[in-house]
Amino acid sequence: GAVVSQHPSRVICKSGTSVKIECRSLDFQATTMFWYRQFPKQSLMLMATSNEGSKATYEQGVEKDKFLINHASLTLSTLTVTSAHPEDSSFYICSASTLPYGYTFGSGTRLTVV
Amino acid sequence: QKEVEQDPGPLSVPEGAIVSLNCTYSNSAFQYFMWYRQYSRKGPELLMYTYSSGNKEDGRFTAQVDKSSKYISLFIRDSQPSDSATYLCAMSALDTNAGKSTFGDGTTLTVKP
Repeated sequence: GAVVSQHPSRVICKSGTSVKIECRSLDFQATTMFWYRQFPKQSLMLMATSNEGSKATYEQGVEKDKFLINHASLTLSTLTVTSAHPEDSSFYICSASTLPYGYTFGSGTRLTVV
Repeated sequence: QKEVEQDPGPLSVPEGAIVSLNCTYSNSAFQYFMWYRQYSRKGPELLMYTYSSGNKEDGRFTAQVDKSSKYISLFIRDSQPSDSATYLCAMSALDTNAGKSTFGDGTTLTVKP
C-alpha cells in the first residue's frame, strides 16, 4: 500500500533555531500533502495544504512565515519551523491524499524546543 | 459548535468485548467517512473508509454511516489488547480535491487482557 515516510521522528532544538521536517511519498506521487499539528490528547489540527510546484495554502491563524512549507517535487514536502520557541513544541504529522481510500499519514515528528 | 463531535472516552473494556465508537456531525455536505487508529506517538493509520450511508465490514471492524441522523459508528468485535489506541473519525465533503478532512477529537480505547 501507499507509504508516507516522515523524518525525523523526534527532534530537540534550542530556542531560536530552525528545524526542517521531511515528508516523502515512497511509492506514489503526491501532488497534495497536508501538514497537521497535534497537541496531547487532542485531535489533528490542519496547518496547511502543500501543493507541488506552488505556494502552500495556510489555515487561518497559522503563521506562514514561521511554518515554511516547500513542495518541490511530487514525492517530497518539507515543513520548516523557523525561529522555534517552546510553544512550538508539538507533534507534527504530514499526510498525502490517497483517495478514494482516504489519506496516508506519516509517522509524525515530535518537536521539543528547549 | 464543532462540525464533528466524537464521544470523548476514555473507554476501557475487557478482552473479547464489543466496542462501539461514535461520532456525530453537522455538515450535510460530508460524503466520505473514515476511521483512523492512532497508537501513542505515531501517525494515524486508516482503518475503514466508507462513502455515503450504509455499513462496511472488514474482519472484526464494522463501520456504519447514517446520513439521515448525521451519525457514524465503528464497531470492534472480539476486542484485543492490541486494539488499545486512540480512534479518530474523519469526514470530507464531496469535493475532495482540496483533500481536507475534519477530524473528531478521538476516543482512547484500552482493552484489558
